Amino acid sequence: NAGVTQTPKFRVLKTGQSMTLLCAQDMNHEYMYWYRQDPGMGLRLIHYSVGEGTTAKGEVPDGYNVSRLKKQNFLLGLESAAPSQTSVYFCASSYEADGTSIFNEQFFGPGTRLTVL
Amino acid sequence: KNQVEQSPQSLIILEGKNCTLQCNYTVSPFSNLRWYKQDTGRGPVSLTIMTFSENTKSNGRYTATLDADTKQSSLHITASQLSDSASYICVLQGAAGNKLTFGGGTRVLVKP
Repeated sequence: NAGVTQTPKFRVLKTGQSMTLLCAQDMNHEYMYWYRQDPGMGLRLIHYSVGEGTTAKGEVPDGYNVSRLKKQNFLLGLESAAPSQTSVYFCASSYEADGTSIFNEQFFGPGTRLTVL
Repeated sequence: KNQVEQSPQSLIILEGKNCTLQCNYTVSPFSNLRWYKQDTGRGPVSLTIMTFSENTKSNGRYTATLDADTKQSSLHITASQLSDSASYICVLQGAAGNKLTFGGGTRVLVKP
């Protein structure tokens, strides 16, 4: 049981290049999330998905696109990378998302460190 | 202004000592408050989850408290160990929907 995995772990891009970050979970979770973490700031939600085939915008969605073609995978795409997208990206998943249920606990992947030059 | 403020930003403690981290929030209403531990280069891992009606929750040497009147939470680490060196993040989930609001974290360094 690997939990939440992310690939790649590190990546350096030049401005204008594109790339896709892959997140996979083996816990049969319905909900998946993409966050970015910048120094001194809390994690910020980029996009999320409430189930296979669905996606929604989070707090900072501009410059990113996502897809959830399979329940276990959630892809984050950067079509034209900018230096402002230099960050550490975390994927997370949860069984539920609402209310006070402990089943809405989010499990995080190890992160992808992205540098855009 | 960030809706979840943590203090201090960082602290250094000696192995075996206790410490308390603070979290002040303005998110209201909320359904639960969580504390996560994030080791360097890793993703956050949940330590405790408290609903808005709970006052305290423990997980081993970690004890979280919640005072809804003053909108404050604290995380107390007892008998610190070198492995406690990490960032600790306070997170609130709003009552409407699944939005999480993260604090900036407190970085703890435990020295031998």
